[in-house]
Amino acid sequence: QSVLTQPPSASGTPGQRVTISCSGSSSNIASNYVHWYQQFPGAAPQVLIYRNNERPLGVPERFSGSKSGTSASLAISGLRSEDEADYHCAAWDDGLNGPVFGGGTKLTVL
Amino acid sequence: QVQLVQSGPEAKKPGASVRVSCKASGYTVSKYHIHWVRQAAGQGLEWVGWMNPNSGNPDYAPKFQGRVTITTNTSITTGYMELRSLTSEDTAVYYCASGDSSSGFDHWGQGTLVTVSS
Repeated sequence: QSVLTQPPSASGTPGQRVTISCSGSSSNIASNYVHWYQQFPGAAPQVLIYRNNERPLGVPERFSGSKSGTSASLAISGLRSEDEADYHCAAWDDGLNGPVFGGGTKLTVL
Repeated sequence: QVQLVQSGPEAKKPGASVRVSCKASGYTVSKYHIHWVRQAAGQGLEWVGWMNPNSGNPDYAPKFQGRVTITTNTSITTGYMELRSLTSEDTAVYYCASGDSSSGFDHWGQGTLVTVSS
């Protein structure tokens, strides 16, 4: 049972906009940065969004993050087939004194 | 170029221990925060612990407290995670990752598959 709650799956057609939600609490999302990771099968996760809405160099502007209160979301616009992957949200938890993760969302491009 | 290279896959029997290494290049392992995260097949990511550079001591997730030891050998820029009293539920890919609460985990090792089976 993951501390942060994500939908197990999401889907969309090419060109569509898809959002993935991440719900937490006052000890994690509400008081710390949220990060998003993209993971392809058999590979390690890679940071996609950090500090709620910052993109590392090389990540397309199609990917964006937002946060409000105890929830965060990842939006992918102009969906492409290569976006098919697992997406994980994460945030530091002040009670745990460590990071907590969501269960991951498998994105399917139809 | 920061790179984290982990040791190879391990097969262990229940009750045994496993030690996974993570060699860092391109930066000083004592300067950056090395965390250990695991992922069981088809599951999400789970934090195991880290070497807290502020205190110089490891911090562990409560679930693993008493069963895990995280150390760092700064002279060879390598971090280690040892997990004891293994059960089948410890079968997972174990990752080392560098970063902090502000940047997130910006570098990851390739992962080490630990399989626990009788």
